[in-house]
Amino acid sequence: TQLLEQSPQFLSIQEGENLTVYCNSSSVFSSLQWYRQEPGEGPVLLVTVVTGGEVKKLKRLTFQFGDARKDSSLHITAAQPGDTGLYLCAGAYFNKFYFGSGTKLNVKP
Amino acid sequence: GAGVSQTPSNKVTEKGKYVELRCDPISGHTALYWYRQSLGQGPEFLIYFQGTGAADDSGLPNDRFFAVRPEGSVSTLKIQRTERGDSAVYLCASSTLPPGGEQFFGPGTRLTVL
Repeated sequence: TQLLEQSPQFLSIQEGENLTVYCNSSSVFSSLQWYRQEPGEGPVLLVTVVTGGEVKKLKRLTFQFGDARKDSSLHITAAQPGDTGLYLCAGAYFNKFYFGSGTKLNVKP
Repeated sequence: GAGVSQTPSNKVTEKGKYVELRCDPISGHTALYWYRQSLGQGPEFLIYFQGTGAADDSGLPNDRFFAVRPEGSVSTLKIQRTERGDSAVYLCASSTLPPGGEQFFGPGTRLTVL
């Protein structure tokens, strides 16, 4: 059972385009994290958001935590081929993290 | 400094056999997590250690799965009587500030049960 639903599952875009990935749940999380995972490697943390309504920017990436702390979005501006990978959201709930099923992004040059 | 390491990187075994997967966390990290990631899915929580004790093992699928961390550092995930459905990538992560702190993941062990 996935507590977190991510959409879209797959995204293939051209270099320079913008995109948004969504992470939704009916549960409230104490914090939410976004990771990027490359094939054959473990996920690498991009950002942690804690406060409802919080917005964090990391270069061309903008992360938003919903006011009710149930959902989040990741927006990438002017995507580059180096952004290609699996993007995962993970919500902290008591002692553990629940991961979404991921969004596989492919940015074509 | 060294990151989280996992051995072996790949393990192929036959149905019914016993396997052990090892995780070396980042030195000084008190929290250690095990996850299982099936193809096309996100990591699924298995167990969380705080120090030597299992603080939460609610994600272990059944009693064939067991994990230890006897000295509060290295951890071993043990799977008895392996089944084909156990095939997945097993990920280990360590952290200094659980829960909610940054987790540092190892590269995983790919387990294939024939």
